[in-house]
Amino acid sequence: AQRVTQPEKLLSVFKGAPVELKCNYSYSGSPELFWYVQYSRQRLQLLLRHISRESIKGFTADLNKGETSFHLKKPFAQEEDSAMYYCALFQGAQKLVFGQGTRLTINP
Amino acid sequence: NAGVTQTPKFRVLKTGQSMTLLCAQDMNHEYMYWYRQDPGMGLRLIHYSVGEGTTAKGEVPDGYNVSRLKKQNFLLGLESAAPSQTSVYFCASRPSGTGELFFGEGSRLTVL
Repeated sequence: AQRVTQPEKLLSVFKGAPVELKCNYSYSGSPELFWYVQYSRQRLQLLLRHISRESIKGFTADLNKGETSFHLKKPFAQEEDSAMYYCALFQGAQKLVFGQGTRLTINP
Repeated sequence: NAGVTQTPKFRVLKTGQSMTLLCAQDMNHEYMYWYRQDPGMGLRLIHYSVGEGTTAKGEVPDGYNVSRLKKQNFLLGLESAAPSQTSVYFCASRPSGTGELFFGEGSRLTVL
């Protein structure tokens, strides 16, 4: 079955430290993966998609098919990065499956 | 530029009452979705629609019904609310050919 796993429910780092939010997936086909973010009192929004291979707000994510991972990374955390982050797998045709989410807190 | 709009944003129900959540999108998207968000559970898909007049079950459909009579609207109904349905509900839509979802602001439902 297709599944997305985010092993950390909570992650706390200091401002300026590197950040890595883990995401692992299981999918039999060719995966299309996303990171969504929900800032306090805002709606969920797309942060990154693996196809575009872009960097948004300093975040990058590389698809590793061998390890079935799509970890989100940022070299220097900022306080405004505090938010809820969801990894998501597009199952093709119809559905997006989300992980359990990781609440990231950046301490000053 | 409204995007995806959900109403109501907050509601308190007693066990056994019924209610309907309305989702409206003005982007002419084919696909629409209802998710619930619970602590530690992430976003779980309740029902979805691939076009006007069609609906399908998601991961947690029990206790909910949906309708998509018009392309721009996707209604989520609770016929007999239960405390287990206390949650934040998110509607989302997307166009064909992409996995990018556009979300509403969420509706917080409390069932006493």
